[in-house]
Amino acid sequence: DAGITQSPRHKVTETGTPVTLRCHQTENHRYMYWYRQDPGHGLRLIHYSYGVKDTDKGEVSDGYSVSRSKTEDFLLTLESATSSQTSVYFCAIQGVRTGDYGYTFGSGTRLTVV
Amino acid sequence: AQSVTQLGSHVSVSEGALVLLRCNYSSSVPPYLFWYVQYPNQGLQLLLKYTTGATLVKGINGFEAEFKKSETSFHLTKPSAHMSDAAEYFCAVSSTNFGNEKLTFGTGTRLTIIP
Repeated sequence: DAGITQSPRHKVTETGTPVTLRCHQTENHRYMYWYRQDPGHGLRLIHYSYGVKDTDKGEVSDGYSVSRSKTEDFLLTLESATSSQTSVYFCAIQGVRTGDYGYTFGSGTRLTVV
Repeated sequence: AQSVTQLGSHVSVSEGALVLLRCNYSSSVPPYLFWYVQYPNQGLQLLLKYTTGATLVKGINGFEAEFKKSETSFHLTKPSAHMSDAAEYFCAVSSTNFGNEKLTFGTGTRLTIIP
């Protein structure tokens, strides 16, 4: 989607290794979110950010950490990847202007942990 | 707490037929409701949203949804299905206004269009 990019788009990593996924936005939006998508579970919130250095946990935060040192970048780190973290990861952004209801999503990162 | 239930993980309809995707929600406060569509290997795209006001909401690609508080429902409809409607659809609920909505998603409904 315009204004939000995720990298990498695909990654294969080994169990036990750290992995960092990047979300970059050009919209200057305050709110950013990381979700994972798994069959039968829909999208589940991992972590979110409401400003630079302001982050909080979502419903499935165990094994993940995040950082936001700049408005435009929100990093998701798998501290020690496990096979259960094989998933598609989506970043989303949201503005605060009236009418900015709903998210804009990135195209996703498909992560495979072997 | 809030939650969403989408009835039917897979729905098949013939081209030209009515599309009906069901969504029921639970929320302790007045909800804001959304439908998103996901095409293969893509992110989610907002179809339509209900926040306040008119309960019948029109979205993109000819879709609409009606908020029914008494039934706690927000079903998605389209009068005539097109092959390009084949995708996965997600209903979502939030309990806050704009900013930090923390949407809660349903598990999705995969829509197949039969030629």
